[in-house]
Amino acid sequence: TQLLEQSPQFLSIQEGENLTVYCNSSSVFSSLQWYRQEPGEGPVLLVTVVTGGEVKKLKRLTFQFGDARKDSSLHITAAQPGDTGLYLCAGTVFNDYKLSFGAGTTVTVRA
Amino acid sequence: NAGVTQTPKFQVLKTGQSMTLQCAQDMNHNSMYWYRQDPGMGLRLIYYSASEGTTDKGEVPNGYNVSRLNKREFSLRLESAAPSQTSVYFCASSEGVDYEQYFGPGTRLTVT
Repeated sequence: TQLLEQSPQFLSIQEGENLTVYCNSSSVFSSLQWYRQEPGEGPVLLVTVVTGGEVKKLKRLTFQFGDARKDSSLHITAAQPGDTGLYLCAGTVFNDYKLSFGAGTTVTVRA
Repeated sequence: NAGVTQTPKFQVLKTGQSMTLQCAQDMNHNSMYWYRQDPGMGLRLIYYSASEGTTDKGEVPNGYNVSRLNKREFSLRLESAAPSQTSVYFCASSEGVDYEQYFGPGTRLTVT
């Protein structure tokens, strides 16, 4: 059983559409991170959120950390083919700095 | 700067064979990690080294050993490979255990 559950597992949308990926847990996290991974490469960190209720924006990507620090979401506005990839959330619980990863959401943006 | 490098990129082993996966970083990071990635499972921590001279077990350490050779290098050894160890292996490093992790390109290992 994974500590972090991501949904949906797969998402295929048309260029220009919006999408949201969810990351949920029953555990409370001290921080939560989002990574993007492209085929044949390692994950690359997009953002770290550390405060409950925090919202961070990275161009067309908006990340939110839940008030109770148990969940997070990634919203992409006007998706582009370059947004295609595997999106992973990962978190650290209090008093344990090891990262726990979700299974990931595979996003495909069709031109 | 190359960041985190891993060798080899691909490897095929027969059951029972041994091999060592190599990882090196040129960012002067203190902490290094080994993960495996399987479909539908995300990344799972095998071993980590919080600082030079220390190593600790992660979530799935059975069947693996590690060596923190120096500050730059952290190797992962499979003594007797099993088909269940077929996976993609990623090495990562960070300035410290609470800092951003940088990942290498991965080693795709198949055990037949």
